[in-house]
Amino acid sequence: EDQVTQSPEALRLQEGESSSLNCSYTVSGLRGLFWYRQDPGKGPEFLFTLYSAGEEKEKERLKATLTKKESFLHITAPKPEDSATYLCAVQASGYKLSFGAGTTVTVRA
Amino acid sequence: NAGVMQNPRHLVRRRGQEARLRCSPMKGHSHVYWYRQLPEEGLKFMVYLQKENIIDESGMPKERFSAEFPKEGPSILRIQQVVRGDSAAYFCASSPDSYQETQYFGPGTRLLVL
Repeated sequence: EDQVTQSPEALRLQEGESSSLNCSYTVSGLRGLFWYRQDPGKGPEFLFTLYSAGEEKEKERLKATLTKKESFLHITAPKPEDSATYLCAVQASGYKLSFGAGTTVTVRA
Repeated sequence: NAGVMQNPRHLVRRRGQEARLRCSPMKGHSHVYWYRQLPEEGLKFMVYLQKENIIDESGMPKERFSAEFPKEGPSILRIQQVVRGDSAAYFCASSPDSYQETQYFGPGTRLLVL
């Protein structure tokens, strides 16, 4: 069974204080690794898809990277509006996404 | 371009009643997925459907739960004789294809069973 572990569970940052979130995975035959952002009471919002080791993608203050065993989501100079739960998911066997438990990020002004 | 739509957004049912959750995929998407998020737990896959076909229901409880995606109209997730343990957020996602395609999520239906 696919395993996805995210760390830390929670992260409190000061505005402008850069940090990284980790997503480690154990799957057979990774088809894609996905990052989503989820705000309270809302559905997951798509951020990035990574397909192969060495791939990187950026969007505003966020940058996602992928190795053969883990992915990192780097948040550069975060703002309070970056506060959310960040979810990592893998697509391996079949079509379903297997999600980690998420990292809740709180950015204080 | 409308995103994935789900209704109702909130649903309250008493034990033993039926719950019907609806999902309209994004325009141009023919693949629908249902996920459940229990309190303090992560998102879990339930079922994957294409028009008029259930492709994978490996995550669906064997009893009381069923799903359909008819030729016309939204996808329906049906829960019969609800119990308190069914209280959760139910999310629908859609994609244009299944292989390596990004799944886009709707806002979810929060089901509360009294």
